[in-house]
Amino acid sequence: DVPMTQSPSTLSASVGDSVTISCRASQDISKWLAWYQQKPGKPPKLLIYEASTLTNEAPSRFSGSGSGTEFTLSISSLQPDDFATYFCQHYNSYSKMFGQGTKVEI
Amino acid sequence: QVQLVQSGAEVKKPGSSVKVSCRVSGGTFSDGIGWVRQAPGQGLEWMGGLMAMFEEPNMGQKFESRLSITADKSTSTVYMELSSLRSEDTAVYFCARFRVTGAVSHPFDIWGLGTMVTVSS
Repeated sequence: DVPMTQSPSTLSASVGDSVTISCRASQDISKWLAWYQQKPGKPPKLLIYEASTLTNEAPSRFSGSGSGTEFTLSISSLQPDDFATYFCQHYNSYSKMFGQGTKVEI
Repeated sequence: QVQLVQSGAEVKKPGSSVKVSCRVSGGTFSDGIGWVRQAPGQGLEWMGGLMAMFEEPNMGQKFESRLSITADKSTSTVYMELSSLRSEDTAVYFCARFRVTGAVSHPFDIWGLGTMVTVSS
């Protein structure tokens, strides 16, 4: 298992702001990093995989970058629907560990 | 459209076991199913998973000693059984699909709605 450290734990922002969430792996994980969005009472939704590839369901204002041990999720021009909790995840054939999560709130 | 249908909520006593099912509806169990839990107000915790092509599941280190993940391919159902329950195991338990292409295991792209497990005396 590769522990993942996410920061910040909470992020206060306004509609229209641009925000960045960081995720750090304890060892080199290449590009094997995903980002999820979760809203209360719902299962998570996959937004980004392989560190920077958006899923078909993810709006283009979301972007991911990084490789190795340092990764970021960026949201440009926050929309009301974006206020949620975001999780990073390292995935491979043996493990799929999550970061602690970042709550993006108004 | 593939959906994951989970069994209903459970209330268990400390020290007992719980078994939660996850049925692949609208498709077959041909890739992988993982289990993730979320305690009230907390983050996501990966527990383990099973690829259809292999008999042996992968377990998170924290759960190795008391977690069992099995599959019934005839019904496309995967089961998660957690034993020696304690109050800290109170959580929503999600199953989720991950695709496998060659040697690459992908992240979770389809999720069940979750099963609430409450451990209380």
